[in-house]
Amino acid sequence: DTGVSQDPRHKITKRGQNVTFRCDPISEHNRLYWYRQTLGQGPEFLTYFQNEAQLEKSRLLSDRFSAERPKGSFSTLEIQRTEQGDSAMYLCATQGWADGEQYFGPGTRLTVT
Amino acid sequence: GQQLNQSPQSMFIQEGEDVSMNCTSSSIFNTWLWYKQEPGEGPVLLIALYKAGELTSNGRLTAQFGITRKDSFLNISASIPSDVGIYFCAGQGGSARQLTFGSGTQLTVLP
Repeated sequence: DTGVSQDPRHKITKRGQNVTFRCDPISEHNRLYWYRQTLGQGPEFLTYFQNEAQLEKSRLLSDRFSAERPKGSFSTLEIQRTEQGDSAMYLCATQGWADGEQYFGPGTRLTVT
Repeated sequence: GQQLNQSPQSMFIQEGEDVSMNCTSSSIFNTWLWYKQEPGEGPVLLIALYKAGELTSNGRLTAQFGITRKDSFLNISASIPSDVGIYFCAGQGGSARQLTFGSGTQLTVLP
């Protein structure tokens, strides 16, 4: 399968714990995005990488959130001291050099209890 | 910031009927995209539009990029049960690389 993959697909954690999600992009795609989606809403942008450089962060990305893409391939999104409001689907999308088409992974569903 | 208004919020149609949904923006977009999402999965790209006035088809799906660059519509012809899902419009504009999404249209196809 050469699509975008995300791991884990589901994560249940207790409030205050740290969690880390991984995204593996389509191999030739140099741009990688993280989005968050809550029930009944469209995805909302969190942050964007071009190769290993993190070029943009949304105001939604509090200081408890950090993302990395160390070698310009896979990316991780870490949430520290999780809160119940962090419960959502976290989506990764990747894009080649041309603007426009972004391809999404299956998402990681986070539930904070 | 940019906002997208997507309508209708939900639709119940009979199998075989045609469907139309649309999005309007408060700002100009350079690219319009339409996605379909099923429960527990990520959005799947259906159609991408790059030029004002562009009309693009993908099987039974047809989408148009509005002339003002502030709107787009998606038509589905002869709906079938597997068309069920949530359809999202998304736009990319200005210097921003990220997509701005509408709130989705929940489509239900009745047999």
